[in-house]
Amino acid sequence: NAGVTQTPKFRILKIGQSMTLQCTQDMNHNYMYWYRQDPGMGLKLIYYSVGAGITDKGEVPNGYNVSRSTTEDFPLRLELAAPSQTSVYFCASSYSAEYGYTFGSGTRLTVV
Amino acid sequence: DQQVKQNSPSLSVQEGRISILNCDYTNSMFDYFLWYKKYPAEGPTFLISISSIKDKNEDGRFTVFLNKSAKHLSLHIVPSQPGDSAVYFCAARRSQGNLIFGKGTKLSVKP
Repeated sequence: NAGVTQTPKFRILKIGQSMTLQCTQDMNHNYMYWYRQDPGMGLKLIYYSVGAGITDKGEVPNGYNVSRSTTEDFPLRLELAAPSQTSVYFCASSYSAEYGYTFGSGTRLTVV
Repeated sequence: DQQVKQNSPSLSVQEGRISILNCDYTNSMFDYFLWYKKYPAEGPTFLISISSIKDKNEDGRFTVFLNKSAKHLSLHIVPSQPGDSAVYFCAARRSQGNLIFGKGTKLSVKP
């Protein structure tokens, strides 16, 4: 059972470039989340989804977009990358809001 | 405005002794609290949780205490082991809400 899988693990982007961070889960969880963690800071919610076709903004959504066409996949799109988006990105999933989250191993993104 | 606060960035403890990690929150609507553990280059993993209707939950070496009147919870690890060295995140949520995380406390357990 793979759990939550994130790709790539590392990426360096130039300012203004775009990329998609991939996240897939095989636990048939309805809820999926994207968090970012900056050095010395907690995890901040970017976007979340309560099911296929439904997404909503979290605390820090600016500069990002998401889609949820299937239960398994929840990609995070960065358009026009900026240095402020240098961070570690974590995808997570849960069966419902009452359950704890299962996290992926993260994507470390550097924008130069 | 931080709703979940972990005011100690780091904690160092001798192997075999007790580790106490603290967390304060400001939102009285939170009904569920969780602790996550994170090793370098890995995602956080769920450790233990507590509902707001309880004041204690125990799981092996890990115990979480909740003081609702003080809006304070703590994680006790007894006895501490070197493998417990990690960053510990406190998290809280309201009913049907998303988790809100603290900044984390880095625990170092020295042999």
